Formats: sequence, structure tokens, C-alpha cells
Amino acid sequence: GENVEQHPSTLSVQEGDSAVIKCTYSDSASNYFPWYKQELGKRPQLIIDIRSNVGEKKDQRIAVTLNKTAKHFSLHITETQPEDSAVYFCAAPDSWGKLQFGAGTQVVVTP
Amino acid sequence: KAGVTQTPRYLIKTRGQQVTLSCSPISGHRSVSWYQQTPGQGLQFLFEYFSETQRNKGNFPGRFSGRQFSNSRSEMNVSTLELGDSALYLCASSLAPSGTYTGELFFGEGSRLTVL
Repeated sequence: GENVEQHPSTLSVQEGDSAVIKCTYSDSASNYFPWYKQELGKRPQLIIDIRSNVGEKKDQRIAVTLNKTAKHFSLHITETQPEDSAVYFCAAPDSWGKLQFGAGTQVVVTP
Repeated sequence: KAGVTQTPRYLIKTRGQQVTLSCSPISGHRSVSWYQQTPGQGLQFLFEYFSETQRNKGNFPGRFSGRQFSNSRSEMNVSTLELGDSALYLCASSLAPSGTYTGELFFGEGSRLTVL
């Protein structure tokens, strides 16, 4: 099955700075990589995703990059704001189609 | 369009009891996935159902089971509860199977289970 590792587990950034979260996966058959954001006390929500045939995807202040050779993908948040404070989860499907999540990264944006 | 609804939202049980949690997906969604969330453990995959068939199962003991009905509503059951089963159980529905590009997960608010 898929093993998704996510780093760091916590990330503290000053407002306006950038934040980067990295994930690695083990199953070379994985072809879809979503990122979910969970604010305190709320449900996780999809914020961005990328297919394996694309190297980078941007949506306003967030971007995701994928390196299939190295089996890792990253989430980049630029010009961080207090509302970016949340837990972020990366995910990848294994060859059985089971979507496995990383352990999560607690992002804290300090004014 | 109504979101994913989970019931009950909170429940307290004692060791050895059993519990049934319910999930009503978004209308038109045929896939329902269940996850266990505990502090520091992230989202642990329990199982996924698609059109009443269990598509995948995670690494949980046989005490954890589930099913999906013809209207796509799903239930999960945990028998012989243990203290370690205390967690937030999240259900998510999607149009397509969760590991696909069109399988965006829409989560419910979860059922928080406390085992004493």
C-alpha cells in the first residue's frame, strides 16, 4: 500500500512570509495528489490538487509542485495571512486506489 | 445542495460496547469513505464504499465494519469498543472513487466517540 510521509509536522511563519510543506510517496503508480486544509474545529477541505502529468499548478497564493522521479510533491503558500493557519494534509492513492493521507502539518501564521 | 451529514455528532460509550455511526452523502455521490482522526495520527483510512460495494479497506481490526445502502447512505460499526477507539470519525463522499482526479472528498463534521 501507499505510504505518504509529510514534513514538517509543525511550521511557524511570520505573516507575509512563505510556507512550504513537503510530502513523499512510495507507490510509483500514484497519479493524483490532492491537498486538504483543516481549520481548527472544522472539516478538511480540498484546496488544490495536481495530476501526475503536470509538474506545477498554481491557484492565487498557493501552488503545488510534483517531482515524479523523486516521488515527492510540495505545497507552497506565499504571502501568508492569519487565515492560512490550519492543518494541511497531503494525500496520494496507492495502486488499489486507496487514498492515503500524510500525518498533517500544523501551520501557524504569526502577525 | 445539502452537505455530508453525520450522526450522531457526539457519543460516549464504555469499553466492550458497540457503536453505529451514520453518514448521509451529498445527493448524487456514490462513493463514501470513512477516516479515523486522532491527534498526531492524521487521517487514518478505514474503508471506502462505491455503489454498495466495499472498494477498499484500511488496516483496522475486524471489529470495524461498514456498509452502504442503495441510497448511498453508509454506516460504520465498531464492536467490543476499546479505549483506543476514542477518536473523531470522519465520513467523506465523492462523485467518483476517492483516489481519482474527479474524486474530490467532501467531509462531514464527524462523529466524536469517547470510550470510557
